[in-house]
Amino acid sequence: QKEVEQNSGPLSVPEGAIASLNCTYSDRGSQSFFWYRQYSGKSPELIMSIYSNGDKEDGRFTAQLNKASQYVSLLIRDSQPSDSATYLCAYPTGKSTFGDGTTLTVKP
Amino acid sequence: KAGVTQTPRYLIKTRGQQVTLSCSPISGHRSVSWYQQTPGQGLQFLFEYFSETQRNKGNFPGRFSGRQFSNSRSEMNVSTLELGDSALYLCASSLLAGDTDTQYFGPGTRLTVL
Repeated sequence: QKEVEQNSGPLSVPEGAIASLNCTYSDRGSQSFFWYRQYSGKSPELIMSIYSNGDKEDGRFTAQLNKASQYVSLLIRDSQPSDSATYLCAYPTGKSTFGDGTTLTVKP
Repeated sequence: KAGVTQTPRYLIKTRGQQVTLSCSPISGHRSVSWYQQTPGQGLQFLFEYFSETQRNKGNFPGRFSGRQFSNSRSEMNVSTLELGDSALYLCASSLLAGDTDTQYFGPGTRLTVL
């Protein structure tokens, strides 16, 4: 079993819709999670970090963490074509474990 | 503040050669991590250096090595290149040691092994 699994893509949503990206992880002891966005041909950049159970909102982005279920998600409201990218979840294992990524396409 | 810089940006080598990649972290950052990114394997952790010491190492063969200098700049070396080493090599810097801190990625070095 991989340490972190992301919902398989690609994911396509129309402009203005909510995009939901999910990630499950195996290490119950993890205390922090990160969502990175990677545009094609570019390097990853951090968009959200979350450290406690519940929701964390930042503009159109909401990260949700459920430690009991070992599940973290990222919701993008009012999706825009500029949100089209690959989204990577990451959590500390001492060796910076990243998911394989989910590619999101937002269609105008 | 200047971001993470990596040199060279592109590199073409042949099998059996060796290569050295360089990474300059954001000023004040003491942790540098290296990753290999390929379409099939995603982003794979190579190693992390903090204050010139290797803190963690991923599951890569000994052909992959690195070091960090007193100014926090880091180099990564791959010896006896294989075709499978063709990848984008990314370095990331962070203020704190470990992977619980935000990592800032450089633009990467695209290595092609022929």
